[in-house]
Amino acid sequence: DGGITQSPKYLFRKEGQNVTLSCEQNLNHDAMYWYRQDPGQGLRLIYYSQIVNDFQKGDIAEGYSVSREKKESFPLTVTSAQKNPTAFYLCASSAHSGRARDTQYFGPGTRLTVL
Amino acid sequence: EDKVVQSPLSLVVHEGDTVTLNCSYEVTNFRSLLWYKQEKKAPTFLFMLTSSGIEKKSGRLSSILDKKELSSILNITATQTGDSAIYLCAVSSSNTGKLIFGQGTTLQVKP
Repeated sequence: DGGITQSPKYLFRKEGQNVTLSCEQNLNHDAMYWYRQDPGQGLRLIYYSQIVNDFQKGDIAEGYSVSREKKESFPLTVTSAQKNPTAFYLCASSAHSGRARDTQYFGPGTRLTVL
Repeated sequence: EDKVVQSPLSLVVHEGDTVTLNCSYEVTNFRSLLWYKQEKKAPTFLFMLTSSGIEKKSGRLSSILDKKELSSILNITATQTGDSAIYLCAVSSSNTGKLIFGQGTTLQVKP
């Protein structure tokens, strides 16, 4: 079954801790994305990667970091510098070229709560 | 600044009603407009629109793009409780290749 998996489903973080959210895809997609979703605000782009070993900041990258060492994997670290990290985090992937890259496919999300 | 605005932000209807959701955009070098449905978790892809005036249809859902008015509508006929969800509109720009999302419309269909 092709798809995108995210883990964990729920994550609780104490203030001052770094946490890492996992995202894996077996769709053979080159591009991967991380979004944050808050109530009433739609999806906001944190980071994206169009190819292995390369990634770019999105609109709200401060307090987050990513890596892209393998095509299938794009983990997101929420650092202690992120002041308001409680949110729903969505990972997505798409083909790299042409209009096909506009169609992003999403994982089931991770709900992060800061205690 | 590129932006996408959806309206209404929320809507409550009864089963069998027809609904129309709106999406307007201001995006430099528009490339495509996408609609997604989000129930509890992952947004699922509904339609991608690139050409003005050509309706895309899937069962009771249909959508059309108007490039002159910089907008799109998503129609759902004979609504069912299973249509209850957040409907997201997103637009891509050939400048950036990124998707810009609207705030979403929350639809609740009552039995």
